[in-house]
Amino acid sequence: EVQLVESGGDLVRPGGSLRLSCAASGFTFSSYAMHWVRQAPGKGLEWVSYISSSGSTTHYADSVKGRFTMSRDNAKNSLYVQMNSLRAEDTAVYYCAREHCSGGSCSGHFDYWGQGTLVTVSS
Amino acid sequence: QLVLTQSPSASASLGASVKLTCTLTSGHSSSVIAWHQQQPERGPRFLMTVNSDGSHSKGDGIPDRFSGSRSGAERYLTISSLQSDDEADYYCQTWGSGIQVFGGGTKLTVL
Repeated sequence: EVQLVESGGDLVRPGGSLRLSCAASGFTFSSYAMHWVRQAPGKGLEWVSYISSSGSTTHYADSVKGRFTMSRDNAKNSLYVQMNSLRAEDTAVYYCAREHCSGGSCSGHFDYWGQGTLVTVSS
Repeated sequence: QLVLTQSPSASASLGASVKLTCTLTSGHSSSVIAWHQQQPERGPRFLMTVNSDGSHSKGDGIPDRFSGSRSGAERYLTISSLQSDDEADYYCQTWGSGIQVFGGGTKLTVL
């Protein structure tokens, strides 16, 4: 069974930093591209970042570019996002999501999601 | 610019059918999209992709009551025999040029 479990969410002051983790199980983690998606309270889904299966390529939404860094450790089946210079508008539930991949090719859509971890940025 | 447009809300009666719409911006009418369901206080769940030819590919364990289709730049999610736990937010998703885009979501109320 595919499982994605996020952790690390917390209350942090504006300008502060936080590192989120996502533990993956039930599939060959190193074969899949992964994403972070967030959802502000009462709002819709917002894509945050992408990392390729090897970790060699990353992409970021303009809203977090230069402040967030996504990484992965395929030996530990884990995904991370380092969030710096946090702002009130970064307050959200953060989800990790798996991109559908088959035969070495990834299609773009997400086929599994975690349950999320809450990040609150407030003084 | 890649944008997906969804109606903010929809409603239908228990046991009835409902068709939700996701509209792609001009110039992207052949794009593949994915539908996701988010029940209250839960993470999203992948339902299906709707391909450029109107065919759909469902995720693991998604019941036959859920189906997808298209017409031009519109992509549809049809839910038949509505149940109370179909009451949820439904999001469409597409991608391109290294980014992912979500529609604003449709809140479905089952009456």
